[in-house]
Amino acid sequence: EAGVTQFPSHSVIEKGQTVTLRCDPISGHDNLYWYRRVMGKEIKFLLHFVKESKQDESGMPNNRFLAERTGGTYSTLKVQPAELEDSGVYFCASSLEGRISPLHFGNGTRLTVT
Amino acid sequence: SQKIEQNSEALNIQEGKTATLTCNYTNYSPAYLQWYRQDPGRGPVFLLLIRENEKEKRKERLKVTFDTTLKQSLFHITASQPADSATYLCARDNYGQNFVFGPGTRLSVLP
Repeated sequence: EAGVTQFPSHSVIEKGQTVTLRCDPISGHDNLYWYRRVMGKEIKFLLHFVKESKQDESGMPNNRFLAERTGGTYSTLKVQPAELEDSGVYFCASSLEGRISPLHFGNGTRLTVT
Repeated sequence: SQKIEQNSEALNIQEGKTATLTCNYTNYSPAYLQWYRQDPGRGPVFLLLIRENEKEKRKERLKVTFDTTLKQSLFHITASQPADSATYLCARDNYGQNFVFGPGTRLSVLP
């Protein structure tokens, strides 16, 4: 089966610009998660979709971040306007069932805001 | 919120020895813990899951233990090989809603 894919793999933007990250989960996985790792820190939860609904968005840092999952398939994470502290690696993961199911991660998008 | 600590940032061991990595958690015991492996430039890859009512779980050369009294999980790699060199992450559920990851331990197996 195809794994979780993320696009782009790298993005370099200037402060104040907008960036949109995309994640294609494993087909049939209703649960989709966004995580990020900022420099030197642990991977931190951003939000969780079940199909197209936001189950938990408690980890979203502020309203400059907007996640969508139209139709319950792929998801996008938009950062607008980007700030320097948004730099890091953004990971998407999917799972068949929530909770106990293992997470299948993509290889991440490395975002650099200059 | 829940917190996970992993005992050391980096661990070097000799090939053939057993590597032991530690994961400590705070607050209530999670229903289960998961262990992942992460290679540079890649996303984490799931390795093992252990439930709170399981003392031990094995998969090939990997073994995980779960001690709710000590609030600790140990991850062992026996007969370690240079190919086992990677960062290993421990994760716990966060009130059943999402997963909290530890900072990881970077394991280097020296030939």
